[in-house]
Amino acid sequence: AQTVTQSQPEMSVQEAETVTLSCTYDTSESDYYLFWYKQPPSRQMILVIRQEAYKQQNATENRFSVNFQKAAKSFSLKISDSQLGDAAMYFCAYGSSNTGKLIFGQGTTLQVKP
Amino acid sequence: DAMVIQNPRYQVTQFGKPVTLSCSQTLNHNVMYWYQQKSSQAPKLLFHYYDKDFNNEADTPDNFQSRRPNTSFCFLDIRSPGLGDAAMYLCATSRDYTHYEQYFGPGTRLTVT
Repeated sequence: AQTVTQSQPEMSVQEAETVTLSCTYDTSESDYYLFWYKQPPSRQMILVIRQEAYKQQNATENRFSVNFQKAAKSFSLKISDSQLGDAAMYFCAYGSSNTGKLIFGQGTTLQVKP
Repeated sequence: DAMVIQNPRYQVTQFGKPVTLSCSQTLNHNVMYWYQQKSSQAPKLLFHYYDKDFNNEADTPDNFQSRRPNTSFCFLDIRSPGLGDAAMYLCATSRDYTHYEQYFGPGTRLTVT
């Protein structure tokens, strides 16, 4: 069975600084995809970034980028130039191409300090 | 805008009184999911539909059922809510199984009194 681990329950960053959220996963599947979702206090889950396992190039979306290390089964999220609106719970998620299910990590609560 | 809509946003029900939560989508996606999320925890998948095919998670209590009368709508029925069923219920959709992300609705906060 697939598992996703986020080892940082809480993180904080100063506004305009950079922060990295960690995520590791375990799987025996060869075809899968990985996501970072953001859930602000209003609770709607929003997709931040996605990465296909077959792609070597790390995904980037504006201030958000990932460091995907397939062999190490690591998928960290880097947020550059942090903004107050980035404060939220961030979930790393593994997506199975076979079942269409998402397996979530435990989440990391990010605090952004002004 | 195309989106996932959940109604109501807040629902209060009494212990043991059946309740139905609603989800609709304008994305024309094949897959619809229901998750239960308790405070500060990851969402827990209850079940999902691929088109009309229902897929139940092994650990979803029998108390929870679902209906999908058409592509756009999906309902979550809780037959006899207990205090432990108080949670946020999230609906999500996906175009397909392969390589497609899930889009989430805003959720329904269920309170059981």
